[in-house]
Amino acid sequence: GENVEQHPSTLSVQEGDSAVIKCTYSDSASNYFPWYKQELGKGPQLIIDIRSNVGEKKDQRIAVTLNKTAKHFSLHITETQPEDSAVYFCAAFRSSGNTPLVFGKGTRLSVIA
Amino acid sequence: SAVISQKPSRDICQRGTSLTIQCQVDSQVTMMFWYRQQPGQSLTLIATANQGSEATYESGFVIDKFPISRPNLTFSTLTVSNMSPEDSSIYLCSVLDTATDTQYFGPGTRLTVL
Repeated sequence: GENVEQHPSTLSVQEGDSAVIKCTYSDSASNYFPWYKQELGKGPQLIIDIRSNVGEKKDQRIAVTLNKTAKHFSLHITETQPEDSAVYFCAAFRSSGNTPLVFGKGTRLSVIA
Repeated sequence: SAVISQKPSRDICQRGTSLTIQCQVDSQVTMMFWYRQQPGQSLTLIATANQGSEATYESGFVIDKFPISRPNLTFSTLTVSNMSPEDSSIYLCSVLDTATDTQYFGPGTRLTVL
């Protein structure tokens, strides 16, 4: 089955700097890769996703890149703000299977003002 | 996107008792999931609950401990039975939008077992 590795487990950046979180997956049939942000006391919220037919996607300060050959994808947050502080989870999904997302272990991002 | 609500949002329970968590979705969905998230950990899938069929449990989770109901396409319940302190976790309901492959999560139920 699919296995998703996520690094780093914790990340501290100064406000205004960029943050990068990386994930690798094992199942070459996975074709959908979402990122979730989980704030304290809340459920995970989808912030951006990418499909296997696209190499990069951007939404304001957030971008995701996908390298299918290497089976890794990354989340990039630019101009970080204190409200970006949260736990971020990457996940992988295979549309052809009736299985839910497989999650990474999460990255706790702290943005220091 | 799907809007999901859960009840209760939190509870404190005595060991040996049971708690039923409700999940309500604002649209009809085929696939619903229940996850457990222990403090500081990632999400662990408990079971997949599809309407009209019995829930499918992941390794390490059994129906006697976590019975699930799925009476229609907008509602599901998860019961945590005969609770022990090790069951203290956040329990999350999730649904899959099969048109977009997008999975949405409810706000979670924070359970503390004393």
